[in-house]
Amino acid sequence: DQQVKQNSPSLSVQEGRISILNCDYTNSMFDYFLWYKKYPAEGPTFLISISSIKDKNEDGRFTVFLNKSAKHLSLHIVPSQPGDSAVYFCAASADGQNFVFGPGTRLSVLP
Amino acid sequence: EAQVTQNPRYLITVTGKKLTVTCSQNMNHEYMSWYRQDPGLGLRQIYYSMNVEVTDKGDVPEGYKVSRKEKRNFPLILESPSPNQTSLYFCASSRQGARETQYFGPGTRLLVL
Repeated sequence: DQQVKQNSPSLSVQEGRISILNCDYTNSMFDYFLWYKKYPAEGPTFLISISSIKDKNEDGRFTVFLNKSAKHLSLHIVPSQPGDSAVYFCAASADGQNFVFGPGTRLSVLP
Repeated sequence: EAQVTQNPRYLITVTGKKLTVTCSQNMNHEYMSWYRQDPGLGLRQIYYSMNVEVTDKGDVPEGYKVSRKEKRNFPLILESPSPNQTSLYFCASSRQGARETQYFGPGTRLLVL
């Protein structure tokens, strides 16, 4: 049973609009969460993180929200740009070192 | 340039023929890890290493071996590959400790016939 779920395999958004990518987890021991971005033929690259002591973390156009009671986090990209088109992975950890990854969501930002 | 390199990038082999995928990092990282990525399953951890001569199983270690004789290298060994090991493999490294960013290699696409 997957401990980290990303229930939308794909998402299409118009350039300039907001992209919202969702992630749900089941293990209440997870206290640190990451988002990675992956382009074709490349390895994942770190995007943004959040620890369980916060409910929001912002970095430029990217904001991650954490709802611990719902075991849910989301990544907001505003405004979306065509270069944001990639697969986004949510990852969670209980020890901050080993991570469980979700299946990924493919984001397409349309010009 | 700080990087994680993997070789080969693409490999086609046959069932039972032993193979090794190499991983090397130039960032003096203590922690290294191997993942496989399969459709609908995301990245699953195969093995990880906290430092030289220290390795441990991840979530899907069956059919794989690793070694960590030097800090920079963390090869993944498939002693007798099977078709269910056809996958995209990623090596990653980070500094030791909680909440350190993992840096990923470019991936190795393996097809076992």
